[in-house]
Amino acid sequence: SAVISQKPSRDICQRGTSLTIQCQVDSQVTMMFWYRQQPGQSLTLIATANQGSEATYESGFVIDKFPISRPNLTFSTLTVSNMSPEDSSIYLCSVVAGGSYEQYFGPGTRLTVT
Amino acid sequence: GENVEQHPSTLSVQEGDSAVIKCTYSDSASNYFPWYKQELGKRPQLIIDIRSNVGEKKDQRIAVTLNKTAKHFSLHITETQPEDSAVYFCAARYMDSNYQLIWGAGTKLIIKP
Repeated sequence: SAVISQKPSRDICQRGTSLTIQCQVDSQVTMMFWYRQQPGQSLTLIATANQGSEATYESGFVIDKFPISRPNLTFSTLTVSNMSPEDSSIYLCSVVAGGSYEQYFGPGTRLTVT
Repeated sequence: GENVEQHPSTLSVQEGDSAVIKCTYSDSASNYFPWYKQELGKRPQLIIDIRSNVGEKKDQRIAVTLNKTAKHFSLHITETQPEDSAVYFCAARYMDSNYQLIWGAGTKLIIKP
């Protein structure tokens, strides 16, 4: 499986600021996704990061709040904009390699907004 | 819309006994069903998966069964060990979902020594 890294691993941010999370994969992948996971909860898909085009957002998530970039097949960023305490969560990227259904996760970014 | 229901939400079993977690999906066009294990503070890890053309798959102490008629699939863990304690998530992929997964709510498995 692909080796996936995320930066930062955790951060504490003040409300009103923005944080950009990076996801790097050691090989080219077909699909990249961004998830949010609240403590004790399941995984909620934020968006699909599309290479070279705008991300596809799920209901309840908008580009102005969660802008996403995917400049190539191994890298993506998620920005959490104008943060509020409700954005405190773990943010995970996941990938699907070509020819496979298997989805693998990065280690996550634990975000706390004060 | 599509959804996946997972039961139970918490499961406590004696070490050495078996554990079974069940998920039900809504869309009969689903074709891929993975199971993930998430230990506290860690990322979800894919532990086993099954495609819709297979009824059962086994990997050492874990197995997954799929009943397409009833639209449910189950995770079976035999000879449970303390390291099996974690939250387990099931998911389903729909034919037209572009690799997206619909997730169950999770089951917290507790192995009692």
